Parts: sequence; C-alpha cells; structure tokens
Amino acid sequence: NAGVTQTPKFQVLKTGQSMTLQCAQDMNHNSMYWYRQDPGMGLRLIYYSASEGTTDKGEVPNGYNVSRLNKREFSLRLESAAPSQTSVYFCASRGNSGTMNEQFFGPGTRLTVL
Amino acid sequence: EDQVTQSPEALRLQEGESSSLNCSYTVSGLRGLFWYRQDPGKGPEFLFTLYSAGEEKEKERLKATLTKKESFLHITAPKPEDSATYLCAVNDGTSGSRLTFGEGTQLTVNP
Repeated sequence: NAGVTQTPKFQVLKTGQSMTLQCAQDMNHNSMYWYRQDPGMGLRLIYYSASEGTTDKGEVPNGYNVSRLNKREFSLRLESAAPSQTSVYFCASRGNSGTMNEQFFGPGTRLTVL
Repeated sequence: EDQVTQSPEALRLQEGESSSLNCSYTVSGLRGLFWYRQDPGKGPEFLFTLYSAGEEKEKERLKATLTKKESFLHITAPKPEDSATYLCAVNDGTSGSRLTFGEGTQLTVNP
C-alpha cells in the first residue's frame, strides 16, 4: 500500500496563476481532508470530504476549491494564487469505523507564490 | 470553538534525559485526542489515540496520558532519533470528524 500520495512535491507559481494539487489514497477510506501548515499557525483545515460525492468547508476555505473525483482521489484547486497561499499543503484520509479513527497524512506539497 | 495549546514550543534534551510534553485542550465533547510525530519535510505520522480521562498508551520510549483538560507525552531516556516535532489534535465528533491541531513542540535530543 502506498497510503496517501500527493503531487507535485514542490511548486512555484506567480501571483494570479492557477493550479491543482492532487491527492490519492489506496486504503479504501471514506473521508479525505486538505490542510495547510504555516509556521506558528499549526495545521489548519481547508476543506474536507466525509464521503464520495460530498465536500464541506473547513477553517480556511477562501481562495480554494475542491473536487472529490472518486473514492480514491481528492483534489485542491487554487484559481488565482496569492502570496498568502504560500504554504505546505497536506492531504489526509481517515478510516471508516466510527468517529475516532486516526487520519493518515501524505508527504505534502510545498507551494511558493511569488 | 475547540482550542489546543502545546507547551513548550521547543525542548532540548540530552540523550537519556527524560521529560514530558504538554497538550492542553478545550473542546465541547472530546471524541478522541491524537498525538502525531512530524519529521522535517514530511507529513505527520500517527502515534496514539486517547479516548477518555485516565487512559494511557505506550510505544517504545513514548507514553501518552489523558486527563479531562490535558494530555502529556512522556519521553523516557530519549535518543537522537526521537528528535521531531510532536503534534497534538482533538476530535469533537462534529461532521466529518475534523481535527483541531496545536502548533506542536519541537524536540531536539542531543547525543
């Protein structure tokens, strides 16, 4: 099992450019999440998908859109990148038993917006 | 609103010098407290889940404990390979089982 995979690992964008961050999991998990991690701010939830076909906003959704393409894949799109979106982005997935299972994280995408 | 505060922000230990990391939380109804380890340039790696006050879990040199207001991660006789950032998170059982994370404690163990 590869677990949670993310592409790309690194990306540099200019202000106003768009891009999509890809995430896939091979653990047959129902729930998937997108976080950003900034120094001094901890991990903050951007969007999540509790199950295939549903998505919901997290703590910091402005400037982002998501698509739950199928059970395996959950993408994060920046339509018009801003320097404030420079961050490390992590995707995670969660097991299917009740509400107390841990989330498994991918390796992250390091994004710089100039 | 859920809140998680970790202390200290950074901790330096000598190899073999035991210590504890603290995670204080405020949550309406705790449905799980999670500890993760994060190495530089990598994603968080799951360590423990604690569900109720009084519960303890151990893994090698690490032991996590839980009270009604805080959790401790005790590190016994640490080694340099224990150096990492340790993250604490809570789940209040709301929709999607979202986690609220603390900012982490950066641990450095010197040989």
